[in-house]
Amino acid sequence: DGGITQSPKYLFRKEGQNVTLSCEQNLNHDAMYWYRQDPGQGLRLIYYSQIVNDFQKGDIAEGYSVSREKKESFPLTVTSAQKNPTAFYLCASHRTGLGQPQHFGDGTRLSIL
Amino acid sequence: AQSVTQPDIHITVSEGASLELRCNYSYGATPYLFWYVQSPGQGLQLLLKYFSGDTLVQGIKGFEAEFKRSQSSFNLRKPSVHWSDAAEYFCAVGVGNQGGKLIFGQGTELSVKP
Repeated sequence: DGGITQSPKYLFRKEGQNVTLSCEQNLNHDAMYWYRQDPGQGLRLIYYSQIVNDFQKGDIAEGYSVSREKKESFPLTVTSAQKNPTAFYLCASHRTGLGQPQHFGDGTRLSIL
Repeated sequence: AQSVTQPDIHITVSEGASLELRCNYSYGATPYLFWYVQSPGQGLQLLLKYFSGDTLVQGIKGFEAEFKRSQSSFNLRKPSVHWSDAAEYFCAVGVGNQGGKLIFGQGTELSVKP
């Protein structure tokens, strides 16, 4: 079945540590997105990529980094510069075309140890 | 500025009652509009979308939404709510040259009373 796989489902970060969240899709979608979700704040865009080897900052990119070396993969690194990383992280993708809806993975919950 | 407002943070309805979740958007061009549903600890699932044509859009799970340009609204409705509909609901507007980038509302949490 086609879909978006996020791993791990739960992740714990120590102080000063970088952690990487995985997002893989087998939908052949060109565009991929990373969101952060906090209670009562909806979804906020961190980074997005519309084609391989290119990505743009979203509204809250500070303390995060991404890469897009393959069409299927869009990993997100939460760096030690992100002082409040505890949140639910969602990855999404969509195909090229007018008004194409985004499809979401099941998320990764990141917590601080 | 582009934005989406969901005025109700939390709504409680009785099982079998009708439901309407409100969504207002601010966007200069013809909007691409979406409703998503999220169960706790899960990702978002698309309920329905609008970008042209009939202003009354049918979605999955018995949901529908009506686009009203004059009111900048895209309210979600269901005639009879089931206990399994309890979840969080997000309205979103697609922006950018193809409408693929989404701006989300804050979400409305729906509780269903037996």
